[in-house]
Amino acid sequence: AQSVTQPDIHITVSEGASLELRCNYSYGATPYLFWYVQSPGQGLQLLLKYFSGDTLVQGIKGFEAEFKRSQSSFNLRKPSVHWSDAAEYFCAVGARGGSYIPTFGRGTSLIVHP
Amino acid sequence: KAGVTQTPRYLIKTRGQQVTLSCSPISGHRSVSWYQQTPGQGLQFLFEYFSETQRNKGNFPGRFSGRQFSNSRSEMNVSTLELGDSALYLCASGLAGHQETQYFGPGTRLLVL
Repeated sequence: AQSVTQPDIHITVSEGASLELRCNYSYGATPYLFWYVQSPGQGLQLLLKYFSGDTLVQGIKGFEAEFKRSQSSFNLRKPSVHWSDAAEYFCAVGARGGSYIPTFGRGTSLIVHP
Repeated sequence: KAGVTQTPRYLIKTRGQQVTLSCSPISGHRSVSWYQQTPGQGLQFLFEYFSETQRNKGNFPGRFSGRQFSNSRSEMNVSTLELGDSALYLCASGLAGHQETQYFGPGTRLLVL
């Protein structure tokens, strides 16, 4: 069975600082990998996804993520955080082929100090 | 293109009642998935519909059901509501053959008293 771990429940950064949110997954092969962001009271917005190819993936809002097969990780990064980035971030994995039932991490809450 | 819409946005019910939530996918999307989000359990997959057929189902009791119409709009129903059903219910849609890339609606916040 697939699983996702986001080790950090909360992360606090200052505006303008760099950001890295961690995501580790467990799956027998390379899964589909996703990062979503959720603002309070809203649904999830897809930031980026990895299916295959280049392991460094560019997304919206200046985010990027790197797939590291050897570490089973898919960490999300941003070089300079803006106050509007404060939100909940979710990593998700899904199996390739067959029934597609994604598994989400528990989320990391990003707090941005001015 | 309009995004995924969900109605109603907020709902208050009492234990034992039933509720129906509606989801209209992005135009052209034929896959609709439903999720339950709670502080305790996080985001959990309920079921997925494609071309009016339930294609996948998560680990939820039979009180949770859904359907999809020929225009791809979907409804989910929860019967005999329990306090623990209080949650944000999210709907997501995807293109045929690309259901792994999902676009989420704003959700319906259900409070069961």
